[in-house]
Amino acid sequence: TQLLEQSPQFLSIQEGENLTVYCNSSSVFSSLQWYRQEPGEGPVLLVTVVTGGEVKKLKRLTFQFGDARKDSSLHITAAQPGDTGLYLCAGDPPWGDSSYKLIFGSGTRLLVRP
Amino acid sequence: DAMVIQNPRYQVTQFGKPVTLSCSQTLNHNVMYWYQQKSSQAPKLLFHYYDKDFNNEADTPDNFQSRRPNTSFCFLDIRSPGLGDAAMYLCATSRVAGPANTIYFGEGSWLTVV
Repeated sequence: TQLLEQSPQFLSIQEGENLTVYCNSSSVFSSLQWYRQEPGEGPVLLVTVVTGGEVKKLKRLTFQFGDARKDSSLHITAAQPGDTGLYLCAGDPPWGDSSYKLIFGSGTRLLVRP
Repeated sequence: DAMVIQNPRYQVTQFGKPVTLSCSQTLNHNVMYWYQQKSSQAPKLLFHYYDKDFNNEADTPDNFQSRRPNTSFCFLDIRSPGLGDAAMYLCATSRVAGPANTIYFGEGSWLTVV
């Protein structure tokens, strides 16, 4: 069974601080997605990373996919209250292995205090 | 414009009274999913349709059923809702076409059981 461990589970920081969320597994994924979910809403896709070692930037958010495609991180620079939400990583199993059923991490609840 | 549309957004039902949640998509994706999400947890896959093929997760209770009359629509039927079925139900879609499968979520339907 493929599992994704996400850490930390909860993070409360002051506006302007930096933070990193980690998503780790012992399994290889063909791709990995990061979603943000606000209360009462569905998850919204932030980014998909596909290539081992890939780094993608989305304004103040930096996403990295590990070289071995087993782990990923999300770094937020100068967090703002609008970044508050539940961050979910989700891995796509290798092609041919029920690859359309994402494996979700347990989520990181981020609170950015003004 | 919303691409995965769920109705209703909020549903209150009585204990044991059947309820149906609907989902429609404008993406022409071949896979449609139903997830259950409880407070601050990761979404839990209940079942999915790959075109017309229905795929049930092993731990999905019999109380939950689904119908997909055509590519665009999918329904979640809860035959006899219990208090433990109160949750957000998320519909999602994807187009299976190789690596980097990306899932698009609807805004969710909140179910309250009284």
